[in-house]
Amino acid sequence: DAGITQSPRHKVTETGTPVTLRCHQTENHRYMYWYRQDPGHGLRLIHYSYGVKDTDKGEVSDGYSVSRSKTEDFLLTLESATSSQTSVYFCAISESTLVGQPQHFGDGTRLSIL
Amino acid sequence: AQSVTQPDIHITVSEGASLELRCNYSYGATPYLFWYVQSPGQGLQLLLKYFSGDTLVQGIKGFEAEFKRSQSSFNLRKPSVHWSDAAEYFCANDMRFGAGTRLTVKP
Repeated sequence: DAGITQSPRHKVTETGTPVTLRCHQTENHRYMYWYRQDPGHGLRLIHYSYGVKDTDKGEVSDGYSVSRSKTEDFLLTLESATSSQTSVYFCAISESTLVGQPQHFGDGTRLSIL
Repeated sequence: AQSVTQPDIHITVSEGASLELRCNYSYGATPYLFWYVQSPGQGLQLLLKYFSGDTLVQGIKGFEAEFKRSQSSFNLRKPSVHWSDAAEYFCANDMRFGAGTRLTVKP
């Protein structure tokens, strides 16, 4: 299995508080991704990174920010959490987006915002 | 915009029966397509991928998928389903995922 660790695995917090989720990889892969998974929607891309300090938005980026200061770490921040951001969040990595490279996924973070 | 559609939200099959999960994509050029499987409480695991060449691709756990450009489809198949195949299955085109198909296996 790809070395991907998400932390925390579970978190309950209140509306309006900041939340940071961490993804750590030991594979030295260039690309890292954050998705959210909601019933009926599958996985939707929030942000992704194609290198240190290089990030781009996905289809559901509003309300989220990311940072990547080291190859191995990709942080997802909810500046002021809302109940609509209650979801399961997955981090993924891939060597490249070229020529059909698959993604490898972490085990997810279940986030509940009350 | 690109999209991936999985028309079946939930499918139930008997153990030992054959399985086909449907996936349709919209994309102009030859797409890069994937099938992933997710067991409860777990992340997604790659079953198989297609990006060029032979349109019938083999994956892990006895799964295969066929790319049909004329139908914009990439359906997943398995000739004989096992109880352990019960899970949720996602079709993906690069960073875009379908909504998933949940598979239930009857004894």
